[in-house]
Amino acid sequence: TQLLEQSPQFLSIQEGENLTVYCNSSSVFSSLQWYRQEPGEGPVLLVTVVTGGEVKKLKRLTFQFGDARKDSSLHITAAQPGDTGLYLCAGITGTASKLTFGTGTRLQVTL
Amino acid sequence: KAGVTQTPRYLIKTRGQQVTLSCSPISGHRSVSWYQQTPGQGLQFLFEYFSETQRNKGNFPGRFSGRQFSNSRSEMNVSTLELGDSALYLCASSTTRGGIGEQYFGPGTRLTVT
Repeated sequence: TQLLEQSPQFLSIQEGENLTVYCNSSSVFSSLQWYRQEPGEGPVLLVTVVTGGEVKKLKRLTFQFGDARKDSSLHITAAQPGDTGLYLCAGITGTASKLTFGTGTRLQVTL
Repeated sequence: KAGVTQTPRYLIKTRGQQVTLSCSPISGHRSVSWYQQTPGQGLQFLFEYFSETQRNKGNFPGRFSGRQFSNSRSEMNVSTLELGDSALYLCASSTTRGGIGEQYFGPGTRLTVT
């Protein structure tokens, strides 16, 4: 069974602070996605990383895929209250159509 | 472009009953996947349908089943409900069958089993 462990589970920070969320597995994934889910809604895709070592930036969010394609990180610079939500990583193996989701990191950003 | 719609949004059932949930994908999307989300287990894959055929299945008992219609709309059914089936059931649609295509999630159906 492929498991994706995220850390930390919960994070409560003030506006303007930086943070990093980690997503780790013992399995290799062909690609990895990050989602954000807000209360009462389904997850929304933020990014897909495909190549080991790849770094993608989306405004204040920086995503990195580990060289061995077993881990990933999400770094948020100068967090804002609008960043509040549940962050989920999800791994994809080969041509499999299912996503293996991580355990989730719940982020709260306060003023 | 309308998003993924799921009906009903909320449902309360009693143990032993059965339930059917519906998902209408984004127009033009032929792949529909179903996921169960619970506080303890997180988001877990149930199954995926593409062109009316189940293409992939997660590790859930046979009480969980689904189908897809010719218009790509999908339903999932849970028979003999158990308290542990209480969860948010999410469906996601995409244009491609699996791979790294973007999946668009609906808002989910929150099922409570009493």
